[in-house]
Amino acid sequence: GESVGLHLPTLSVQEGDNSIINCAYSNSASDYFIWYKQESGKGPQFIIDIRSNMDKRQGQRVTVLLNKTVKHLSLQIAATQPGDSAVYFCADYNTGTASKLTFGTGTRLQVTL
Amino acid sequence: GAVVSQHPSRVICKSGTSVKIECRSLDFQATTMFWYRQFPKQSLMLMATSNEGSKATYEQGVEKDKFLINHASLTLSTLTVTSAHPEDSSFYICSAYDASGGVNNEQFFGPGTRLTVL
Repeated sequence: GESVGLHLPTLSVQEGDNSIINCAYSNSASDYFIWYKQESGKGPQFIIDIRSNMDKRQGQRVTVLLNKTVKHLSLQIAATQPGDSAVYFCADYNTGTASKLTFGTGTRLQVTL
Repeated sequence: GAVVSQHPSRVICKSGTSVKIECRSLDFQATTMFWYRQFPKQSLMLMATSNEGSKATYEQGVEKDKFLINHASLTLSTLTVTSAHPEDSSFYICSAYDASGGVNNEQFFGPGTRLTVL
């Protein structure tokens, strides 16, 4: 991901709606991508991952889309719930570089009732 | 998934003192652990890679003499912030890499340590 030290952008979504969080990465050699969820005062929690030989992967209520052409990653959360409120980070790495993750800037998701 | 713990969860210290933070993998062996620093409303920035039995590899701009890392066993890495100053106040997070993780090669993150230097 591209981490530039800026304040976190915020996405406000109404409960029950779908959320789409976007991320850009810069390393064209990255071949593994992960989305993390971080709640206040806690460490990152793994949500879903995708390898570069795929362009879509689905989990429970979450879908990750990968567009290698424009180096873009997105996380879709279906039927967003209040418990989804957190900061979401994408991270990427090249599996040939000792699993060294590069985190994106992050997006704060606020779920309104 | 695998569990990583950190101790302490939060610490307040006076300027000039040293603080040690422990990172433990509780149910797996971690040949590699990573230390990150996160300032408020910012992303995680990798500080160093800690390899069991060898010297840590520091990222550019991170002072190795200030942030001492010791990875003495396959389940424990420690980060010591020496002569801490207020600008070192931050959220420090470790992660452990489970080499036996198979396809995913997933890193497991600790809960973080909030350091406040007065």
